[in-house]
Amino acid sequence: EAQVTQNPRYLITVTGKKLTVTCSQNMNHEYMSWYRQDPGLGLRQIYYSMNVEVTDKGDVPEGYKVSRKEKRNFPLILESPSPNQTSLYFCASSLAPDRAFYGYTFGSGTRLTVV
Amino acid sequence: AQKITQTQPGMFVQEKEAVTLDCTYDTSDQSYGLFWYKQPSSGEMIFLIYQGSYDEQNATEGRYSLNFQKARKSANLVISASQLGDSAMYFCAMRERETSYDKVIFGPGTSLSVIP
Repeated sequence: EAQVTQNPRYLITVTGKKLTVTCSQNMNHEYMSWYRQDPGLGLRQIYYSMNVEVTDKGDVPEGYKVSRKEKRNFPLILESPSPNQTSLYFCASSLAPDRAFYGYTFGSGTRLTVV
Repeated sequence: AQKITQTQPGMFVQEKEAVTLDCTYDTSDQSYGLFWYKQPSSGEMIFLIYQGSYDEQNATEGRYSLNFQKARKSANLVISASQLGDSAMYFCAMRERETSYDKVIFGPGTSLSVIP
């Protein structure tokens, strides 16, 4: 089944404790992206990757890191989480727009709470 | 800067009736795509429908249709024959056909409640 797999689905952590949210897709998509969703703000892009070893900042990158060492994986790293990073996080992937102009396939989401 | 506006924070519709969710967008690009996603209370994002800026016909997918008015920069979602399972958040989104960066802009969403 074609899908984007995020783990974990739920995570409660303490301020300052490094964490990684994993994301993997099995569709051979070039593009991958991380979004956070907060009430009233919709989804905001954190980072995106257009291919292996190619990453760039989205609208709200502060406090986050990413890497793209393999095409299928795009982990989101919070080096020192803070309470304002409590949010619902989505990983998404798609073909490159010049190959097929479609939207993203989303993972199931990770609900992160930082206390 | 690109922007998506959804002016209806919340909507109610009677079961089996049709409902229109509004979306306006702002872009200076000629080539772009417009999308609608559904987010039920379980949280996942479900792709509903896509409209390309050069598509001459309005997109349809089952009970969903997109009323695309390019000159007015609007891309309203029409759901026909509403069902209880349509109760969810609905997000309008736009993506430009740009290969030097990747940005999909989302609107703030509209919460739809279907009343029995």
